[in-house]
Amino acid sequence: AQSVTQPDIHITVSEGASLELRCNYSYGATPYLFWYVQSPGQGLQLLLKYFSGDTLVQGIKGFEAEFKRSQSSFNLRKPSVHWSDAAEYFCAVGERNSWGKLQFGAGTQVVVTP
Amino acid sequence: GAVVSQHPSRVICKSGTSVKIECRSLDFQATTMFWYRQFPKQSLMLMATSNEGSKATYEQGVEKDKFLINHASLTLSTLTVTSAHPEDSSFYICSASASRGGVAYNEQFFGPGTRLTVL
Repeated sequence: AQSVTQPDIHITVSEGASLELRCNYSYGATPYLFWYVQSPGQGLQLLLKYFSGDTLVQGIKGFEAEFKRSQSSFNLRKPSVHWSDAAEYFCAVGERNSWGKLQFGAGTQVVVTP
Repeated sequence: GAVVSQHPSRVICKSGTSVKIECRSLDFQATTMFWYRQFPKQSLMLMATSNEGSKATYEQGVEKDKFLINHASLTLSTLTVTSAHPEDSSFYICSASASRGGVAYNEQFFGPGTRLTVL
């Protein structure tokens, strides 16, 4: 069965420290991969996406993610976290040719401490 | 570009009433729209996929008669929660998949969500 796993439910990080959020997927073929961020009571904002090509993807707000086919992973990273990065982060996968249907991971809550 | 709006942003209703939520793509044509439900501190669960001019496709376990979806135009989809009950209280989020020149883009643009509270 297809699945998306975000192993970390909750991460606490100090402001200025680096951040890495894990995402693993199980799909029959390489899917489209996305990372979204959701602030409290808000909709989702796309941070970055991977369709094909370079496996290191740059996104907005200083985030990047690396697609590793051998590990079925698409981990999100940021070198230096800002207090405004505190939010819920969702990894999502979409089937190619599925007109955008997405499956979301459970999400990782990021707390940033001073 | 690629802005999706939802209305209302927040609604409180009495048990037994029906509530309609609108989802609009403001600056692009949305061939396909999706409706999600999100419980507190949980992920988004896809409820249904709607294509303009055709019936929505519901995910397993979602009651079609409870959650009526209409996608009457390329810029508007509506979700009507019929005979709402307290257990229907949730955050409902729509998204739209863009198309341009008849070509679909495998990316969704999300609305800000609607908080439904059923008393």
